[in-house]
Amino acid sequence: GQSLEQPSEVTAVEGAIVQINCTYQTSGFYGLSWYQQHDGGAPTFLSYNALDGLEETGRFSSFLSRSDSYGYLLLQELQMKDSASYFCAVRDVLLSSGGYNKLIFGAGTRLAVHP
Amino acid sequence: GAVVSQHPSWVICKSGTSVKIECRSLDFQATTMFWYRQFPKQSLMLMATSNEGSKATYEQGVEKDKFLINHASLTLSTLTVTSAHPEDSSFYICSARGVAGGTDTQYFGPGTRLTVL
Repeated sequence: GQSLEQPSEVTAVEGAIVQINCTYQTSGFYGLSWYQQHDGGAPTFLSYNALDGLEETGRFSSFLSRSDSYGYLLLQELQMKDSASYFCAVRDVLLSSGGYNKLIFGAGTRLAVHP
Repeated sequence: GAVVSQHPSWVICKSGTSVKIECRSLDFQATTMFWYRQFPKQSLMLMATSNEGSKATYEQGVEKDKFLINHASLTLSTLTVTSAHPEDSSFYICSARGVAGGTDTQYFGPGTRLTVL
């Protein structure tokens, strides 16, 4: 079956660093993406890793280890506005639709940032 | 950046009626669009994949006769919830395949909150 595991909740204070882990088990793998979703809003794209290693985008970094089926999202210099749900998503192969990859989402990690 | 819109943003309807939700890619052409459903405090569940000019591909367990998808052009896909019931109340989100900064990714619409009375 297809499964992605990530912690359900994380709490941190402003200015701190938080790492949200994601382990996956899927039939196909074409990269790991991270999305942020505020309550009542739509997911917004944060990062994508197709190859092993660290990708840095401002305060956010994402890491992938394909041999370990593991990745993480690192959030630095936390701000109150970072309080949201964070989803990891694996690109799988959509066999019946011309080969375009579909996204399989984890259950999400709810991050609460406190003063 | 790539923008995807949805209309309406919210809708309340009576049980047994049908509701149509539109998803548009505003500044790019989307050959592939995806429809998701999200219940409160849960993850996004893919319902179907919509390709322009062809039939949608539904995920296992999603009734194709209940959730009608039409992808009539490269910028518009519609989801019609037929004979809606209270258990269909959910947050419906579409996404469109696009490329930004060399990355092939999905851009999400703002979502449509459906409440069936």
